[in-house]
Amino acid sequence: AQSVAQPEDQVNVAEGNPLTVKCTYSVSGNPYLFWYVQYPNRGLQFLLKYITGDNLVKGSYGFEAEFNKSQTSFHLKKPSALVSDSALYFCAVSQPMDPGRRALTFGSGTRLQVQP
Amino acid sequence: DTAVSQTPKYLVTQMGNDKSIKCEQNLGHDTMYWYKQDSKKFLKIMFSYNNKELIINETVPNRFSPKSPDKAHLNLHINSLELGDSAVYFCASSPTGTGSYEQYFGPGTRLTVT
Repeated sequence: AQSVAQPEDQVNVAEGNPLTVKCTYSVSGNPYLFWYVQYPNRGLQFLLKYITGDNLVKGSYGFEAEFNKSQTSFHLKKPSALVSDSALYFCAVSQPMDPGRRALTFGSGTRLQVQP
Repeated sequence: DTAVSQTPKYLVTQMGNDKSIKCEQNLGHDTMYWYKQDSKKFLKIMFSYNNKELIINETVPNRFSPKSPDKAHLNLHINSLELGDSAVYFCASSPTGTGSYEQYFGPGTRLTVT
């Protein structure tokens, strides 16, 4: 079974400061890792993914994440936070399986609050 | 252009009723999913279909019955609605080929059972 942990319910950061949203995962094989963002009353928007290759992946809106296999982590980062980044962020994992079996297992979500 | 669309966006109904939620994607994807987001924002897979074939059926009450008339559509029918069914239901789709494993989500359907 696979699982994802997001240890922080909420992260507060001042605009212009760097932000980190933490994620650790547990899978029995190679992980496919994702970050999604959810704005109020909206669907989930894909930010970035790690499938294979370079451990540092870059995504939308200036976000990046670093895959660390030894620590089983995939923390989301941004060098300079914007007020408009305030939203609910989900880390998710799936595995290389047959089509249709790659359902995402989500973490509990972290609310990012960026103060002006 | 809407990639993954759901109708209706809001659904308010009484206990015991039967309701359906429709999902359509115009991305040409072969795989579609239903996820449930509860009041605490937890997201959990319910079903997945690949080429109209049911692949994943998580521990969901059999009052929930998905149906995929074609690869672009995945509908969710719920019988005898209960208070605990109140949630936001998200449809998603993904391509089958290698390299692109991310899923694209619809805007969600907020179901309220009274």
